[in-house]
Amino acid sequence: EDQVTQSPEALRLQEGESSSLNCSYTVSGLRGLFWYRQDPGKGPEFLFTLYSAGEEKEKERLKATLTKKESFLHITAPKPEDSATYLCAVAPPAGNMLTFGGGTRLMVKP
Amino acid sequence: DARVTQTPRHKVTEMGQEVTMRCQPILGHNTVFWYRQTMMQGLELLAYFRNRAPLDDSGMPKDRFSAEMPDATLATLKIQPSEPRDSAVYFCASGRQANTEAFFGQGTRLTVV
Repeated sequence: EDQVTQSPEALRLQEGESSSLNCSYTVSGLRGLFWYRQDPGKGPEFLFTLYSAGEEKEKERLKATLTKKESFLHITAPKPEDSATYLCAVAPPAGNMLTFGGGTRLMVKP
Repeated sequence: DARVTQTPRHKVTEMGQEVTMRCQPILGHNTVFWYRQTMMQGLELLAYFRNRAPLDDSGMPKDRFSAEMPDATLATLKIQPSEPRDSAVYFCASGRQANTEAFFGQGTRLTVV
């Protein structure tokens, strides 16, 4: 059974204080690893897909990286509007079903 | 702006009543998912459709839950009878077969009292 563990559960940062969120996974096979952002009262919003170890993707202040056992979401000089819960998920080789981690709740204070 | 549309956004019902949640996937997407989100369990997959055919509903309590796609523009999730433990936010998501990212709707917040 696929397992996804995210750490930390919650993270408080000052505006401009860079940090990283971790997503560790145990899967029988990996088709892709996904990062989503979820704001309170809304559905998860797709951010990135990573397919192979060594791959990196960037979007504004966010950069996602992937190794064979984990993924990191690096946040550079965060702003208060980056406050949200960040979810990672894995997809098996066959099918599109995603297994989600528990998420990291990020709070960025001005 | 293509998006997944879910109705209703909020539903409060009494225990034992039937609840129906609806989802309109993004036009052109042929995979549809139902997820349930709670504080304790996070996001859990309930059902998965491809080209309107159910492929996986192992996460769904079979005795009270049912999921269908009457046509390509409508997916439904029914709970009958509803129980307080069903209180959660139910999300529908859709995607293309060729790509694996799924796009989520805004969810239906269900409260069973």
